[in-house]
Amino acid sequence: QVQLQQWGAGLLKPSETLSLTCAVYSGSFSGYFWSWIRQPPGKGLEWIGEIDHSANTNYNPSLKSRITISIDKSKNQFSLQLTSVTAAETAVYYCARGRVVRGLITSYYYMDVWGKGTTVTVSS
Amino acid sequence: SSELTQDPAVSVALGQTVRITCQGDSLRSYFPSWFQQKPGQAPLLVIYGKNSRPSGIPDRFSGSSSGNTASLTITGAQADDEADYYCNSRDSSTNHLLFGAGTKVIVL
Repeated sequence: QVQLQQWGAGLLKPSETLSLTCAVYSGSFSGYFWSWIRQPPGKGLEWIGEIDHSANTNYNPSLKSRITISIDKSKNQFSLQLTSVTAAETAVYYCARGRVVRGLITSYYYMDVWGKGTTVTVSS
Repeated sequence: SSELTQDPAVSVALGQTVRITCQGDSLRSYFPSWFQQKPGQAPLLVIYGKNSRPSGIPDRFSGSSSGNTASLTITGAQADDEADYYCNSRDSSTNHLLFGAGTKVIVL
């Protein structure tokens, strides 16, 4: 059964760089999209960005200038870097595995495996 | 528009049926997926595709979609179903992922 284990610094100061890594266990890296999602306290889910096994990236346009998502296929890991964080970016950050199934008329996409989440607090 | 709209909250009596809706233009090209999230837990996929359930998800959860509106239905709601529910889809023009703001389901 595929599992995602994530880790990274949990306490940052404003303007620092957030860095998180997610390791994929017991599953293939190829054929999927690997996403980062965050959730501020008491709020909804926000998609940050994704990468596929060929290292093609797709970012939330509101964060694009500050994000880098990368993969290390040799380690079955993918990572998120978010520069110049602010207190408003205090959130639980999740990694997730996604898959696209394309149809003639309607396609579908789903994220079936999630990490447990990393709480990141940005405070001076 | 590249948004998914959900009602903030809905209540249902124990054992009754509740429908949660999600609206957005992206749903014309992509079926949504639906997540259940309980406090302190990661989201859990409950419905994906036209109406598929991952292994372990009770069959009281079902999904449907027509045009720009999709629905998640819980038939015979249980106390354990009280949670936040999010819809998720992909915008076919930008390829960006979208989440609805979530619907809180309260089981009375």
